[in-house]
Order: sequence, then C-alpha cells, then structure tokens
Amino acid sequence: DTEVTQTPKHLVMGMTNKKSLKCEQHMGHRAMYWYKQKAKKPPELMFVYSYEKLSINESVPSRFSPECPNSSLLNLHLHALQPEDSALYLCASSQDGLPGVNYGYTFGSGTRLTVV
Amino acid sequence: AQKVTQAQTEISVVEKEDVTLDCVYETRDTTYYLFWYKQPPSGELVFLIRRNSFDEQNEISGRYSWNFQKSTSSFNFTITASQVVDSAVYFCALPNSGGYQKVTFGTGTKLQVIP
Repeated sequence: DTEVTQTPKHLVMGMTNKKSLKCEQHMGHRAMYWYKQKAKKPPELMFVYSYEKLSINESVPSRFSPECPNSSLLNLHLHALQPEDSALYLCASSQDGLPGVNYGYTFGSGTRLTVV
Repeated sequence: AQKVTQAQTEISVVEKEDVTLDCVYETRDTTYYLFWYKQPPSGELVFLIRRNSFDEQNEISGRYSWNFQKSTSSFNFTITASQVVDSAVYFCALPNSGGYQKVTFGTGTKLQVIP
C-alpha cells in the first residue's frame, strides 16, 4: 500500500459546525503532516507529527486541532471556522531515513473544504 | 533563509511540443535535496523526482528529464512530446535545513497542454 487516503474528499460546513478530516497511511511512515493550500498557491505547512507526537505547529489558530491516534492515522478537528479557511487540506507522510537523507513526501488527494 | 523561484506562472503548449519548467533556488546549505511534484486538477501532489546536491548528473525518466546545475542553482524540468495528461501545476521544492520536515515550495507553474 503506497497511498495516503483522505476523507472526506469534499466538505461544506457552517461557521458553527464541528467536523473532522481524516488521513490514513499504511506505509510505516512515522512522520505525518497537514498542509493547507489556497487556490493558485503552494501548500502551506500547518502541523507535523513525528512518532505520534506533535513536533511542529506553524502558529495555526486553535480552531484547527490536530490529533494522531496512532502511527497510521491523523485527524484534523475543525471548529468555528471562518470563510477564509476554505481551502484544500492535504495530508502527507514521509519515511525516516538515514541522517541527512530525505525521501520526500507522499501526499493524499486532499479534502476540499468550504466554510459557509 | 531558503527560497525557491518558479518564474513561469503559466505555460501553454500544443500537444507533442517539448516544454521546460524552470526552478531556481537559494540555500546556504552545502548539502540539500530538491524535489519536483505534480499536482493535477484532482488535487493530489505526486512525487516526480528527488535529487541531492552531491549528484549533478541529469536524469531521464521516460518523457521527463531534469537538468540540475549547481553552479547556477537551477533544477529545470523538461517534458518531451507533451501530452494532455501532463496538464497540471508543477512545484519545485527544497527541504529546509536543520529539519527535513519543513519544505520551501516554489509558487508553482501551471502547464496547459492543448490537444
């Protein structure tokens, strides 16, 4: 299995709703990421989990709450979002390598989120 | 600070033409990696190639080829005999030093291949 699976593919939510995005990989990768991508822009890093611990939070507003229940799963809990949070949310994973070796990311196909 | 510049915002070519996507990077590191990713309209970023700074050999994979020039800090990507399926946004990326978990992406080049 060489995929990162994200659900749902599309999500429309109101500003008072609570929803969750899910990401799953079975490649044994120990680092997992959430990225946010606005139209015609490159992806922007939000969070990194390494060995199931949050290692990077790029000053993301608290209305986004990540969770890594185990080494294969990554969730992003959403609450009280704003219309400007509408974007493509991408999950990615990467494997550990020897020090100084970078194998790159495997990305999921993303969740297109619309906040109304 | 690291920087990746993809000066071409959008390129349109007719099918079967060759096209080169430019990538220029800045880094103070002596050892680093560079990547190209493809993002079709479906949204997923697809890994195309990884290149480390030790290896300046050009690489060819089918219709794809990459020209890494360390002296000019460029890592250009050429598609030969383009096809409609090549239509996508292409990102050049440079992992940040001191922790490969952060990556600097270029702004992307949108390629449209017209049948």
